[in-house]
Formats: sequence, C-alpha cells, structure tokens
Amino acid sequence: EAQVTQNPRYLITVTGKKLTVTCSQNMNHEYMSWYRQDPGLGLRQIYYSMNVEVTDKGDVPEGYKVSRKEKRNFPLILESPSPNQTSLYFCASRPPSGGTLSGKNIQYFGAGTRLSVL
Amino acid sequence: LAKTTQPISMDSYEGQEVNITCSHNNIATNDYITWYQQFPSQGPRFIIQGYKTKVTNEVASLFIPADRKSSTLSLPRVSLSDTAVYYCLVGGPYSGGGADGLTFGKGTHLIIQP
Repeated sequence: EAQVTQNPRYLITVTGKKLTVTCSQNMNHEYMSWYRQDPGLGLRQIYYSMNVEVTDKGDVPEGYKVSRKEKRNFPLILESPSPNQTSLYFCASRPPSGGTLSGKNIQYFGAGTRLSVL
Repeated sequence: LAKTTQPISMDSYEGQEVNITCSHNNIATNDYITWYQQFPSQGPRFIIQGYKTKVTNEVASLFIPADRKSSTLSLPRVSLSDTAVYYCLVGGPYSGGGADGLTFGKGTHLIIQP
C-alpha cells in the first residue's frame, strides 16, 4: 500500500532535548516536505526536498533541520526544542514537478506527529 | 504565486449539496486547482484536481469557469462524516519559490449537522 509513515505519532519532551521525527515513503517520490499545523494558522511548510541531498527552507524553518540521504526518508530534527515548537507535524511526498500539466502537485500526507515540548 | 481566498467556515445539513468557492484572481496559465480534505488530527487527503470546466470523481465535483479566477468544490448529499477542513490550492508543475508554490492556507471548516 502506498503510504507516508511518520514516527512517533505522539511525543512529549522537554526543552533542549534533541529529537528526531522520522518520515518514510514507499512511492519512490522525489519530493518530500514537512509541515506544522497550529490552531488558527493552518498548515505551514517547514522544509522541503526536491531530491536526495537537495533541501530548502519553507515558510517557518527556524529551529528545525532536515536531511535527505535516501529518497525514501526525510527526517525532521529539532536540535534544541522549545515550547513554541509544540505542534502537529505532517510529512508529505509527491511525484516530481514538470512534464505535462496533470496531477503533478498531488501530495500524500502522513498521519501526523503530535509534539509537546514542556 | 496565486493567492487563494475561501470562506473560513460553512454549515450545512445531512443530505444537502454543499458548494465551497475559492477565489484565485491571479491564477497563472500553467496552474492547476487542487482540493484537499482534512479530518481532525489527520493529514490532508487529496480530493480532486482540475484545470478548466468541470471535473467529477466518486467524491466530489469541481467547477471552474472560463476565466479560471475562481473554482467551486461541490459535495453531493453530504453526511456527518464530511465534516472536515477543505483546502483549495493553486499551483503548477513548474511552481517554485521558497514554499514550492503550494500554500495550504487556513482552509474552510465545513460542519455538517444532522
């Protein structure tokens, strides 16, 4: 089954304790991205990756790192989490852009990771 | 990048047809219109995508007028389980920019009542 898998689904941590949220997709998609969702603010993109070893900042990258060493994995790293990073996080992937004008921007999302930083 | 405007919230009743309109006045020639559905604490899920005129699938219909400056998502005979947030996105396969040209915004919170 085609899917995007995030782990863990729930995480409670303390300020300053480094953590990693993993994301894996089995659709051989080149493009992957991370979003955070907060009440009243909608979905905001943190980082995205167009391919292996190619990453770029989204709208709210401060306090986050990512890496893309393999096509299927795109972990989100919080080196020193702070309470303002308490949020619901989503990983997504999609086929590459380009080519004919059809269905190229359909993103597939993971189930989400609810993070609380105390 | 094409900016979209959609209502913050809508209410309807079971069995009714619901139409959610999205405005995108500066849509570009190569841009597609894509709608997603999100249930609480779940990731958004693709519903439908179109370029012009009408597109229909098993879930919804998408109406796009000739000028493409707006689009309407139509959900036939809604049920309680259609209560969700619906996002309208506009972008093309060549969209670029810091956020890859695909901004979700706040969406429309649709509430279906019995």
